[in-house]
Amino acid sequence: SQTIHQWPATLVQPVGSPLSLECTVEGTSNPNLYWYRQAAGRGLQLLFYSVGIGQISSEVPQNLSASRPQDRQFILSSKKLLLSDSGFYLCACLRGDFTDTQYFGPGTRLTVL
Amino acid sequence: AQKVTQAQTEISVVEKEDVTLDCVYETRDTTYYLFWYKQPPSGELVFLIRRNSFDEQNEISGRYSWNFQKSTSSFNFTITASQVVDSAVYFCALSRGSSNTGKLIFGQGTTLQVKP
Repeated sequence: SQTIHQWPATLVQPVGSPLSLECTVEGTSNPNLYWYRQAAGRGLQLLFYSVGIGQISSEVPQNLSASRPQDRQFILSSKKLLLSDSGFYLCACLRGDFTDTQYFGPGTRLTVL
Repeated sequence: AQKVTQAQTEISVVEKEDVTLDCVYETRDTTYYLFWYKQPPSGELVFLIRRNSFDEQNEISGRYSWNFQKSTSSFNFTITASQVVDSAVYFCALSRGSSNTGKLIFGQGTTLQVKP
């Protein structure tokens, strides 16, 4: 079964600073990968998804970007953080059995000050 | 358009009470999947169950049970004899079975608090 790693677990960054969050997956190959954001007390917002290396689909226009340099690596970035970028960021991986079941990583809690 | 509605924002019960979390969905697809996820205070989403649109059998797993009714577009989740460890945010989600993207549409979540 897949294992999803995310780091860092917690991050406090000043407004205007860059961001790089990393997600790596073990136990599967060529998975669909997803980045979600959860603002405090809110639901899950899909930010990006990727069906393969170099293939990124953006769900909402924003201050963030994503990249997939390797099959099992998914990176979320920003050149200049905004206060509104604060939240809990979750990476997810699609289980490869055509049932659309997603498994989630432990998340990164980002606070922008 | 696809949509998932969890009308209950917060529910508070006392331990050992039964509780039902409601989920209503909208879709024009004939093939789709429905899911429930649990988000404990640690934050990680934990997969609980998946149902495909052609399987309306209810399912029971220990204290958890799910009632899928296509006629009312509902996929409700019942916890029997609730425990403090059940305290979490619960999300219902929907996907398009015919899509290769695997994207999920989540409801806004229901926060369940089980008091001792």
